[in-house]
Amino acid sequence: QKEVEQNSGPLSVPEGAIASLNCTYSDRVSQSFFWYRQYSGKSPELIMSIYSNGDKEDGRFTAQLNKASQYVSLLIRDSQPSDSATYLCAVNRGADGLTFGKGTHLIIQP
Amino acid sequence: GAGVSQTPSNKVTEKGKYVELRCDPISGHTALYWYRQSLGQGPEFLIYFQGTGAADDSGLPNDRFFAVRPEGSVSTLKIQRTERGDSAVYLCASSLQGRGEQFFGPGTRLTVL
Repeated sequence: QKEVEQNSGPLSVPEGAIASLNCTYSDRVSQSFFWYRQYSGKSPELIMSIYSNGDKEDGRFTAQLNKASQYVSLLIRDSQPSDSATYLCAVNRGADGLTFGKGTHLIIQP
Repeated sequence: GAGVSQTPSNKVTEKGKYVELRCDPISGHTALYWYRQSLGQGPEFLIYFQGTGAADDSGLPNDRFFAVRPEGSVSTLKIQRTERGDSAVYLCASSLQGRGEQFFGPGTRLTVL
């Protein structure tokens, strides 16, 4: 059974601070890891992908992967109110369908 | 370029009816995926196409659900004898060659009365 676990939140972070979102997964064969942002009533939007251990930075976003610990995280620097959304962690083995967590609801307080 | 498109955006039907949901992937993407999402949950994988063939249909919940992609582009998800529990948002995604990033369409909200 492939599982992805996330804290559902809500996670409340002051504007301008760093938001830290965490995710663990059970399938050791997982090779690809993704973070999606989903606004209420909208579909998931891809914001980060990571495939190897370590950090990957893209603008204000940094994804971190630790395959030994089966752990992936997303850091959002200089958080903005527009970052308020649900963040979905997703993993797969390569070409197969994604397994998603339930998502973490992030609230950025102005 | 155009993203993934799905039609209709909303579908209301009665229990027992048949419905078809359509997905048009990003041009050039050979891999196409269907998911469904219930309120408060992450998307749940249903089926994956590579070209015209279903490479993995292990997520289809039962034999009332069927999907096709006859020409390797547009796909149709078909649900027979709909039940109230089928109510959800049905999402389609595509990726370039079946590995890597998947991009989602806007979804079809299905309501079974």
